[in-house]
Amino acid sequence: KNEVEQSPQNLTAQEGEFITINCSYSVGISALHWLQQHPGGGIVSLFMLSSGKKKHGRLIATINIQEKHSSLHITASHPRDSAVYICAVRSSGGEKLTFGTGTRLTIIP
Amino acid sequence: GAVVSQHPSWVICKSGTSVKIECRSLDFQATTMFWYRQFPKQSLMLMATSNEGSKATYEQGVEKDKFLINHASLTLSTLTVTSAHPEDSSFYICSANRASTDTQYFGPGTRLTVL
Repeated sequence: KNEVEQSPQNLTAQEGEFITINCSYSVGISALHWLQQHPGGGIVSLFMLSSGKKKHGRLIATINIQEKHSSLHITASHPRDSAVYICAVRSSGGEKLTFGTGTRLTIIP
Repeated sequence: GAVVSQHPSWVICKSGTSVKIECRSLDFQATTMFWYRQFPKQSLMLMATSNEGSKATYEQGVEKDKFLINHASLTLSTLTVTSAHPEDSSFYICSANRASTDTQYFGPGTRLTVL
């Protein structure tokens, strides 16, 4: 079993739909990252969370430390949101990130 | 915002040659840089952790003599793939930890193709 599991692996939705991507992890962490990778490969860091909830524009990230679970939400989705979204955790006391396998999101106009 | 650059963005080389990839933090000092490799449709795999002025720490299964890492300054780390083979073809990504923060900033990646 991977230390970081994401679901779904693939998600296709219509423009405007509310999107939820989930991440579960099995180790104690000091922080969780949500990353976005576009087809060209470049990675953008969306959020870093250690508790609670963060919001940036149409993106919302939440984390429940007790349940070892985080969600990334996209409101009013747009075709430009199409990308791979990756959850990564930093173990307690460490610097290294452990990555989930990613969720490929496709938003259809 | 913090920016990390990589050079080159893509490179094609012949089998047996060596390729150097640079990772620079453009507007901040990075005490620690990380090198990742990503094969198609797979997640990022950490290859090594690079600290300025000291030897890199390699992950299990990564050959330190094949993937040479030099962290020469607080803004530059280089990865040299020595005697490259077609199986080394991959997408190589670096990231940098901004000093005194917990945030990792990722470079745009370098696509290596070994013929």
